Amino acid sequence: IAGITQAPTSQILAAGRRMTLRCTQDMRHNAMYWYRQDLGLGLRLIHYSNTAGTTGKGEVPDGYSVSRANTDDFPLTLASAVPSQTSVYFCASRGREDTEAFFGQGTRLTVV
Amino acid sequence: AQKITQTQPGMFVQEKEAVTLDCTYDTSDPSYGLFWYKQPSSGEMIFLIYQGSYDQQNATEGRYSLNFQKARKSANLVISASQLGDSAMYFCAMRESYSSASKIIFGSGTRLSIRP
Repeated sequence: IAGITQAPTSQILAAGRRMTLRCTQDMRHNAMYWYRQDLGLGLRLIHYSNTAGTTGKGEVPDGYSVSRANTDDFPLTLASAVPSQTSVYFCASRGREDTEAFFGQGTRLTVV
Repeated sequence: AQKITQTQPGMFVQEKEAVTLDCTYDTSDPSYGLFWYKQPSSGEMIFLIYQGSYDQQNATEGRYSLNFQKARKSANLVISASQLGDSAMYFCAMRESYSSASKIIFGSGTRLSIRP
């Protein structure tokens, strides 16, 4: 693993099903973020974590949950998926001394 | 609360011309950072340039420069001598530094198209 990795790359999910999007980074970054990208709306912050053991709500947290059990992993869970959660999801991380955030390649999720 | 506004949904520019992408922001934090990212059609997010709120000079990175006007709360991206490969979505973003919650929020983006 080099950098930040998301899995799966894409997924078609039936409405009402539970789904966890995985995000792993090997840069020992403290801060991690989850965004969703929708046409015309840019990237909107769902949840974030400043360090292992802490999480916070972003701009659009409803319907999503996260955990940060360790530094490397920051999974995003949809407890009961709805069609409005169809989107491209990006995970990102940032080191304490870094200015910019580094992004994963994204997960394209379609809820039908 | 943090807010980033990009008012240009799309722009067309002739190749080799300079282009300015607008970004305004709002924050009550005295210390913050501003970013620009590029997203080509392949979908990856590419970091372009960063400006800290206390930086005295405008940031530059090759053909990219950030026109930082603190009093007006604007952080426009200037691309000199545009190239066909500059065609992409461009996002402005902000991080508040002193806040215990170092959220990074993004604007809605500008789609730049370079004409040959």
